[in-house]
Amino acid sequence: AQSVTQLDSQVPVFEEAPVELRCNYSSSVSVYLFWYVQYPNQGLQLLLKYLSGSTLVKGINGFEAEFNKSQTSFHLRKPSVHISDTAEYFCAVSPFNTGNQFYFGTGTSLTVIP
Amino acid sequence: DAGVIQSPRHEVTEMGQEVTLRCKPISGHDYLFWYRQTMMRGLELLIYFNNNVPIDDSGMPEDRFSAKMPNASFSTLKIQPSEPRDSAVYFCASTRPGQGTAEAFFGQGTRLTVV
Repeated sequence: AQSVTQLDSQVPVFEEAPVELRCNYSSSVSVYLFWYVQYPNQGLQLLLKYLSGSTLVKGINGFEAEFNKSQTSFHLRKPSVHISDTAEYFCAVSPFNTGNQFYFGTGTSLTVIP
Repeated sequence: DAGVIQSPRHEVTEMGQEVTLRCKPISGHDYLFWYRQTMMRGLELLIYFNNNVPIDDSGMPEDRFSAKMPNASFSTLKIQPSEPRDSAVYFCASTRPGQGTAEAFFGQGTRLTVV
């Protein structure tokens, strides 16, 4: 079975400060890892993904994430946030060869304070 | 490609009425997912299809919910009869794994309000 835990439901941060959104997962098989962003009244948009190779992946809007297999984590980071980064962020996993299901965390609401 | 297209974007209906949500996946994608998003439960997978065949519908909450995919370019999610607790945002997503992508592409969602 697979599960995704986003430890922080809400993260307030001042503009231009760094931010880290945490994600841990549990899976009995290897997984692909994703971060999605959801702006108000919109669908989910892919920020970045880890499929294989380098464990540090870069995505859109200056975000990056690092896959840590031993800690089963995939934390999302940005060195300097902008007001426009205010949104809901979802971590997701998709197990290899198990029907291509996606398992989502409960989301982290990032609020950037001017 | 225009992406995953859902219609309508907003739906307001009275309790007891039938509601049909529609989804057009990205051309060439062979997996289609229906999700429901609420404040209380977050994103819930309702059902997903592979090559138009339902693979897992264990997330469908009740018999009032049904989903079909008559062809590769169209799917519906029907609620009959609708209840106020069905109020949520319903998302459709599609994917075609095996081409170095693997991610799901989401539509804009249908916001359903049952009064």
